[in-house]
Amino acid sequence: QSVLTQPPSVSAAPGQKVTMSCSGSSSNIGKNYVSWYQQLPGAVPKLLIYDNNKRPSGIPDRFSGSKSGTSATLGITGLQTGDEADYYCGTWDSSLSVVVFGGGTKLTVL
Amino acid sequence: QVQLQESGPGLVKPSETLSLTCTVSSYSISSGYYWGWIRQPPGKGLEWIGSISHGGSTYYNPSLNSRVTISVDTSKNQFSLKLGSVTAADTAVYYCARQAGGYCGGDCYAYYFDYWGQGTLVTVSS
Repeated sequence: QSVLTQPPSVSAAPGQKVTMSCSGSSSNIGKNYVSWYQQLPGAVPKLLIYDNNKRPSGIPDRFSGSKSGTSATLGITGLQTGDEADYYCGTWDSSLSVVVFGGGTKLTVL
Repeated sequence: QVQLQESGPGLVKPSETLSLTCTVSSYSISSGYYWGWIRQPPGKGLEWIGSISHGGSTYYNPSLNSRVTISVDTSKNQFSLKLGSVTAADTAVYYCARQAGGYCGGDCYAYYFDYWGQGTLVTVSS
């Protein structure tokens, strides 16, 4: 069982917006910055968001991140079939002294 | 563009030691950053194993701490993972990655992985 909790799956239609959550605690998300990763089927995880809401060069602004308290949210607008992937949140847990990841959310673009 | 490539045996026997090396290209490990290992069992999520600095400082996932050793060879621009006493539960795709971020003030830390290797599947089986 992961320290960070993500819904197993979310779905939305092409062109629509979707959000997915990452729930933690005061020792991880509540205290530290969150990152998000996209893993396309059969591919390597790719950094989407770091420092809660910053996008690396080359990541379109359709992807956004936010954090409030002990939860973080990844938003994707203008959904495309190519966005179908597993999405993972990650952060540092100050009590456990470990980098932790959520269990991942599978995005289906209907 | 920073590139990382894992190498090592794809099959390890139970109770033996898993050994992998990550070769970094287009960036000198000596220049900075931490360098980490992350694994993903088939069909499951990501698990951080541990990280090492260019100077050799290490920190490990406590759940694996007693079995893990990560080392760095700056002359070869490589870092390595050794995981001892493996079982079938250690079967996974093993990724090496560059760990960026750091201290963000107060009690805050901002660690993330910005460049990843292609991953290598290691199967533990007799």
